[in-house]
Amino acid sequence: GDSVTQMEGPVTLSEEAFLTINCTYTATGYPSLFWYVQYPGEGLQLLLKATKADDKGSNKGFEATYRKETTSFHLEKGSVQVSDSAVYFCALQGGGFKTIFGAGTRLFVKA
Amino acid sequence: GAGVSQSPRYKVAKRGQDVALRCDPISGHVSLFWYQQALGQGPEFLTYFQNEAQLDKSGLPSDRFFAERPEGSVSTLKIQRTQQEDSAVYLCASSLQGGRSTDTQYFGPGTRLTVL
Repeated sequence: GDSVTQMEGPVTLSEEAFLTINCTYTATGYPSLFWYVQYPGEGLQLLLKATKADDKGSNKGFEATYRKETTSFHLEKGSVQVSDSAVYFCALQGGGFKTIFGAGTRLFVKA
Repeated sequence: GAGVSQSPRYKVAKRGQDVALRCDPISGHVSLFWYQQALGQGPEFLTYFQNEAQLDKSGLPSDRFFAERPEGSVSTLKIQRTQQEDSAVYLCASSLQGGRSTDTQYFGPGTRLTVL
């Protein structure tokens, strides 16, 4: 069945460092791909998405490119801030109604 | 406007008790989803409603789990004869469109269920 694998955390970075959180997927067909974020004390919210191969999703300085050849959707940000500290979830939606989530990666950013 | 709300926010149940968890989606949203999130894991799909119709219940772990959305707005997830393995955060999400669209899902804060 469809699945998502993302790098284990926690990831600890200093402010202004470059961030990459790896995500790979297994799916039949051509799923849509998502990154969700959960800030401390808040609910899960969509960060960005890409619906077809080579699409780049972007929001709040974060980017991810849908790479069909490597079945990947890695999340990147050029310069992280303390306020980016959160748990990040990679997810996919195939042809049905289900959204399948990875296990999450916790990011700590130090001032 | 108001987001997705869920109640109660916390629920403690003794093993064997029945519980009911409520979700109030964003007004006018056609789609409603329930997820179960175990500690340290990502959310796992339970069921999907398009208006009042339950189109996918493939993620419900057993027949002790039942969900309804009788008037196409508020939804209730009921768990009968709770077991310790049911302890988790139950998330509700809604989206504007129906069907298999990749429309943005808006999540509620969740209900944390602890079964003793």
